[in-house]
Amino acid sequence: DAKTTQPPSMDCAEGRAANLPCNHSTISGNEYVYWYRQIHSQGPQYIIHGLKNNETNEMASLIITEDRKSSTLILPHATLRDTAVYYCIVNNAGNMLTFGGGTRLMVKP
Amino acid sequence: ETGVTQTPRHLVMGMTNKKSLKCEQHLGHNAMYWYKQSAKKPLELMFVYNFKEQTENNSVPSRFSPECPNSSHLFLHLHTLQPEDSALYLCASSHRQGPNSPLHFGNGTRLTVT
Repeated sequence: DAKTTQPPSMDCAEGRAANLPCNHSTISGNEYVYWYRQIHSQGPQYIIHGLKNNETNEMASLIITEDRKSSTLILPHATLRDTAVYYCIVNNAGNMLTFGGGTRLMVKP
Repeated sequence: ETGVTQTPRHLVMGMTNKKSLKCEQHLGHNAMYWYKQSAKKPLELMFVYNFKEQTENNSVPSRFSPECPNSSHLFLHLHTLQPEDSALYLCASSHRQGPNSPLHFGNGTRLTVT
């Protein structure tokens, strides 16, 4: 699986958009970009995934660059409950996700 | 409620005990996974089952023994564990084992080995 690089931590003001970056410069053509988050004492929660096109669902938007070497997860209006560790993962055919350290997002009032 | 239920939520066991962790999914998925999350370490994949067949064993010691009797249930049998095996054990499921099939996780079993 391709490796990903994320900043270890970020802050965001409540009500503002949270933009979480991820670099995956060694991604190959058949690998999807996935985002999960983990709130303390819970299992990881699936957020969104994509291959080439930008994606949006009720939780977030995923913007993937044209060369697919990086992506950004956007939480349009962050709330205190969005405080969590966010993981960016690239997933090959085996669906054996390799989790890195993630980004610890702190949403502040 | 994630659709993936793990029991027990907490477990304390001695090194000579035998215990089992249980996972049940109500999502109609065909692939199930065990992950281990130790303190201050990334999640580590342990086992994968696809349509009840084990497709991945990520060099896990034999003191951990998985069982998948059907696509809805997954067990992890534990025996003669070590204190360093203390961790959060997470079960997940997906529609199938493939790149376009998100994983859905349970909330884990917090295991302490004394």
